[in-house]
Amino acid sequence: DVKVTQSSRYLVKRTGEKVFLECVQDMDHENMFWYRQDPGLGLRLIYFSYDVKMKEKGDIPEGYSVSREKKERFSLILESTSTNQTSMYLCASTRRDKGKDTQYFGPGTRLTVL
Amino acid sequence: QKEVEQNSGPLSVPEGAIASLNCTYSDRVSQSFFWYRQYSGKSPELIMSIYSNGDKEDGRFTAQLNKASQYVSLLIRDSQPSDSATYLCAVLGASKIIFGSGTRLSIRP
Repeated sequence: DVKVTQSSRYLVKRTGEKVFLECVQDMDHENMFWYRQDPGLGLRLIYFSYDVKMKEKGDIPEGYSVSREKKERFSLILESTSTNQTSMYLCASTRRDKGKDTQYFGPGTRLTVL
Repeated sequence: QKEVEQNSGPLSVPEGAIASLNCTYSDRVSQSFFWYRQYSGKSPELIMSIYSNGDKEDGRFTAQLNKASQYVSLLIRDSQPSDSATYLCAVLGASKIIFGSGTRLSIRP
């Protein structure tokens, strides 16, 4: 079974604090993704990575950065949080199976910024 | 036009009936299509994938794909209260998977 884990299920931070969200997958997947999900807006891609030390901007990268130092680990960094970053953050990992990518999600981190 | 479009619902279906969820997409070269189920407060869970035209059945779920019409659907037979959730349609584009905003399904007893 594919397993994607995230470091926290719930986080509460104050405006201006730094947040570090970690995602780990145990299936040797090359591709990893960070999304945020908000009511009425669906899943929005923040950043993704196809390999170690590689990163690509998604649709809403502003205010975020990422780090991929090891294949199994993809971190999302919020350098200085703002209230509009209150959201559910979802990490995902892709298995490439004969060109048919299948994306598996972690349990999510609900971040509240006060 | 959104790349992947779904009716947001809520779609209300009586228990035991067939629930029909629809999705259209704009990229004609897409080859891989997915349906995810998401319970409130939980992360999306993959329930079906389909890659070629026609129907694909898995238990009570049937995915249907029509590439000419750029249309993919999910049928849930013998709907159960546990099927109440938001269903996300996803399409593999050139470099990433694109999600619809989801259809909220409610199964009424």
